[in-house]
Amino acid sequence: DQQVKQNSPSLSVQEGRISILNCDYTNSMFDYFLWYKKYPAEGPTFLISISSIKDKNEDGRFTVFLNKSAKHLSLHIVPSQPGDSAVYFCAARYTGTASKLTFGTGTRLQVTL
Amino acid sequence: DAGVIQSPRHEVTEMGQEVTLRCKPISGHNSLFWYRQTMMRGLELLIYFNNNVPIDDSGMPEDRFSAKMPNASFSTLKIQPSEPRDSAVYFCASSFGVEQFFGPGTRLTVL
Repeated sequence: DQQVKQNSPSLSVQEGRISILNCDYTNSMFDYFLWYKKYPAEGPTFLISISSIKDKNEDGRFTVFLNKSAKHLSLHIVPSQPGDSAVYFCAARYTGTASKLTFGTGTRLQVTL
Repeated sequence: DAGVIQSPRHEVTEMGQEVTLRCKPISGHNSLFWYRQTMMRGLELLIYFNNNVPIDDSGMPEDRFSAKMPNASFSTLKIQPSEPRDSAVYFCASSFGVEQFFGPGTRLTVL
């Protein structure tokens, strides 16, 4: 039972354009959401996060939007760069579990020239 | 400062053999996590420790899997006996807060 879902296994975007990665969740008890980025042969690295009390968080080219009523979050990358090509994982924390995270299956982003 | 260290980076073994994966968390972190990455399930949490104590092992697939954390700077994940379906990349992560820091992973192949 996948509580955090990334329905698009892959996405291809041209350099300079916007990349939008989507994530849906089913458990309303999640209170904190994170995005991780993973390059081949490396572990995932933290990218950006958002608390459930907010609907937007921005950090440079990266913005995460949270729509609690739809149980949906998205990661926007503007402008996309070739170095952004990686697998992106969405993760969620269940209220009261300190640091335990539930991850999605990932979306592979390819930024083309 | 060193990040999370995992060894070995690659392990190839035959079905039925015992496999031990090792992890050294970041100094000062009080939580440690073992994950398995597969195409079907993405990053799947196997077990996590808080202050060296196992808190949730509900993700451990079978009794063939066991994990220990004898002290704050070392943890092992053991598979005995190993099976071909255990082939995957295994990650260790540590944290002091919500954000987890991952090691480079161990790619396990069971023939």
